[in-house]
Amino acid sequence: KAGVTQTPRYLIKTRGQQVTLSCSPISGHRSVSWYQQTPGQGLQFLFEYFSETQRNKGNFPGRFSGRQFSNSRSEMNVSTLELGDSALYLCASRGTSGGNTGELFFGEGSRLTVL
Amino acid sequence: AQSVTQLGSHVSVSEGALVLLRCNYSSSVPPYLFWYVQYPNQGLQLLLKYTSAATLVKGINGFEAEFKKSETSFHLTKPSAHMSDAAEYFCAVRRNNDMRFGAGTRLTVKP
Repeated sequence: KAGVTQTPRYLIKTRGQQVTLSCSPISGHRSVSWYQQTPGQGLQFLFEYFSETQRNKGNFPGRFSGRQFSNSRSEMNVSTLELGDSALYLCASRGTSGGNTGELFFGEGSRLTVL
Repeated sequence: AQSVTQLGSHVSVSEGALVLLRCNYSSSVPPYLFWYVQYPNQGLQLLLKYTSAATLVKGINGFEAEFKKSETSFHLTKPSAHMSDAAEYFCAVRRNNDMRFGAGTRLTVKP
């Protein structure tokens, strides 16, 4: 079974640009969560999508948005990039069927550098 | 609201020594508990999980953790550290759709 796939793995942008990151969950997983990881703030929850609907949202500005498609693939977008958006963005999927214990399966992340 | 506290942002041990990484949680009901490991520039990998079936949980790479309800703890241990154990470790707690991570503990293993 293929794991969670994130693309691109590395990217460099300049301030003011926007970026779109993609995540393909494990087959059969309908929940996709996004996290931002920085040395200073640790792992911070961005949002969770389930069946194309945003189910939970962390405390991030509106520049951070996401969506989920009917095949459960998800994208997140950051507009008007700031230097502080430089981070490792992690996507995680989980199964949601009965009896599932809810562990998250993570991708390898997309490392964004904003110059 | 539930939360997770990892005591010690950095832990250093010698190769062959006991590894003990501490995690305390706060939750109104017994939650699901997890330990994840992260190697540089990679995502998080599940080490083990507690789901109320057994209080002593064995995971991958020789790690285990014990759920102690009276102490609200879920500490991670390994009897003998290996150089390859050097990484960052995260404790996490889930209740319903809410998953919370600790701040992480960076483990260094000295030769």
